[in-house]
Amino acid sequence: AQSVSQHNHHVILSEAASLELGCNYSYGGTVNLFWYVQYPGQHLQLLLKYFSGDPLVKGIKGFEAEFIKSKFSFNLRKPSVQWSDTAEYFCAVNAKAAGNKLTFGGGTRVLVKP
Amino acid sequence: DGGITQSPKYLFRKEGQNVTLSCEQNLNHDAMYWYRQDPGQGLRLIYYSQIVNDFQKGDIAEGYSVSREKKESFPLTVTSAQKNPTAFYLCASSRAGEPTDTQYFGPGTRLTVL
Repeated sequence: AQSVSQHNHHVILSEAASLELGCNYSYGGTVNLFWYVQYPGQHLQLLLKYFSGDPLVKGIKGFEAEFIKSKFSFNLRKPSVQWSDTAEYFCAVNAKAAGNKLTFGGGTRVLVKP
Repeated sequence: DGGITQSPKYLFRKEGQNVTLSCEQNLNHDAMYWYRQDPGQGLRLIYYSQIVNDFQKGDIAEGYSVSREKKESFPLTVTSAQKNPTAFYLCASSRAGEPTDTQYFGPGTRLTVL
């Protein structure tokens, strides 16, 4: 079945460390790509999105993501994390091949130790 | 303040009972969505509606029903036919339901079946 995969379920790192979260999808054709974040006790909110143009996308709070079409990937990065980045991160894909519905990955829980 | 409200925050239900979860938005968005969130599985689409008086099944619609009588409201009924209803339910809306639209999420309702 076509899907969105986030291979890391849990990540633990210290403040100032670099973060990279993987996201792979299996849809061909036109895709629109999103990263959402759910901070403890808060609503799910958009970090960044890509649908065309420069494949390196910058989002809020210093996050960025790179779309690599040949690898069907949209990995999220942040060069130096803070304790406040502790959250669950979700990759999501809206693909024409999936009927233009948003499909989410399983999420990655990130814990940043102070 | 514009946003999405869901009520109640916590809901307990006995087996065999139907229960309705409320979702209201004042963002003037045309499209609304219901997702179910289970640990490690991300968000899965239950139903969505792109316009008043019209809605479509998502990936896991069995045991659920919805209505869209008003633009701002999209209630979800969890019926007794839903085999495993205990979960966290999220409502979302987007401007027009286009593939590139950002979805905005409510705070969620945690349903527990006793």
